[in-house]
Amino acid sequence: GAGVSQTPSNKVTEKGKYVELRCDPISGHTALYWYRQSLGQGPEFLIYFQGTGAADDSGLPNDRFFAVRPEGSVSTLKIQRTERGDSAVYLCASSLFGAGVNEQFFGPGTRLTVL
Amino acid sequence: TQLLEQSPQFLSIQEGENLTVYCNSSSVFSSLQWYRQEPGEGPVLLVTVVTGGEVKKLKRLTFQFGDARKDSSLHITAAQPGDTGLYLCAGAEGAQKLVFGQGTRLTINP
Repeated sequence: GAGVSQTPSNKVTEKGKYVELRCDPISGHTALYWYRQSLGQGPEFLIYFQGTGAADDSGLPNDRFFAVRPEGSVSTLKIQRTERGDSAVYLCASSLFGAGVNEQFFGPGTRLTVL
Repeated sequence: TQLLEQSPQFLSIQEGENLTVYCNSSSVFSSLQWYRQEPGEGPVLLVTVVTGGEVKKLKRLTFQFGDARKDSSLHITAAQPGDTGLYLCAGAEGAQKLVFGQGTRLTINP
């Protein structure tokens, strides 16, 4: 079956521009996560959705970052006024929600480069 | 936020050798996961350990969760070039949020 897909795979933008990154989770997965992975580092949690609502957005670095999941499936991560420090791979993951530890299935990521 | 420290950060060994990667924290985690990540791809789950002292085996890989649930190790026996990759440990913070270590980049030379 289809895994988590992310588009675009690569995005190059200029400092100050607005970007949108899209995530299509595995069908039927109610939980969706965004992580950011800088070069040489592990993924860093940004935000987690349960259904349509953001259950935990404590990892968003500032108010330039925003994410939505209006119909409880596809999610878009939006970054305003991009800065060079935003350059990283943005990973999306999804999981079935239930009691206990849930396996998160990751997409291939979007590599964002801010010039 | 709890922190996870992995060591070593880089490891390059010859095919056939054994190795151990460590994941340490000063905090207790309800569970800990190990992932492997290839270039250009997202992390893929290898194992989840939940109980203090738990040991799980996956072919030539052995995972152990510390008794106090603050640390974990990954041991690979007779490493093969196909084991090359970035190995990440991640602790569950709350019900859903994962906190990742910085990773161990493993290279197995033929």
